[in-house]
Amino acid sequence: DAGITQSPRHKVTETGTPVTLRCHQTENHRYMYWYRQDPGHGLRLIHYSYGVKDTDKGEVSDGYSVSRSKTEDFLLTLESATSSQTSVYFCAISPTTGLNEKLFFGSGTQLSVL
Amino acid sequence: QQQVKQSPQSLIVQKGGISIINCAYENTAFDYFPWYQQFPGKGPALLIAIRPDVSEKKEGRFTISFNKSAKQFSLHIMDSQPGDSATYFCAASLQGGSEKLVFGKGTKLTVNP
Repeated sequence: DAGITQSPRHKVTETGTPVTLRCHQTENHRYMYWYRQDPGHGLRLIHYSYGVKDTDKGEVSDGYSVSRSKTEDFLLTLESATSSQTSVYFCAISPTTGLNEKLFFGSGTQLSVL
Repeated sequence: QQQVKQSPQSLIVQKGGISIINCAYENTAFDYFPWYQQFPGKGPALLIAIRPDVSEKKEGRFTISFNKSAKQFSLHIMDSQPGDSATYFCAASLQGGSEKLVFGKGTKLTVNP
């Protein structure tokens, strides 16, 4: 999957606990994204990054924070997980964000919040 | 407010048939319309994309038809194969920014042998 590794692939956690998902890329792409995928909702953007330490909110950012201290790593943190955050989380990367942009997705992390 | 409406939610087609998935959008400022294909357990992958200056784009058995006046675009899969069974997402991008990409809710396609 285009040099993208998401970890963990599966996680079960309890309501109220902090959770961090990691996305690691080997493509040296500038842009990185976190999406969540839910039945009936498609893919929704949570946060994205346009460079080291440069991040911005997406459509569904409440309850999530991100950090990018290195080009290759983009972390998604749920400070206090809730059941509504049970979802499949996808990391994506792209070299640019201009015309003809193409997103490359990782294989996803299945998160269950009990 | 859903900006890209995709239909149907699910589609069953016989091998060799034509699969058609439709999307409608509201914002006339959208200028990039990709389709992503997702197999179970995998992330989505770009399948084909079109810009509003053309009415059709074909890549192998996959064709996008674009109707700017109706604000609709569709994916046609000719000679559908069981290996095409996947979930398909249409999307639209505002002013070319990937961070502005809005996805439809997806269509699960099943091609029976």
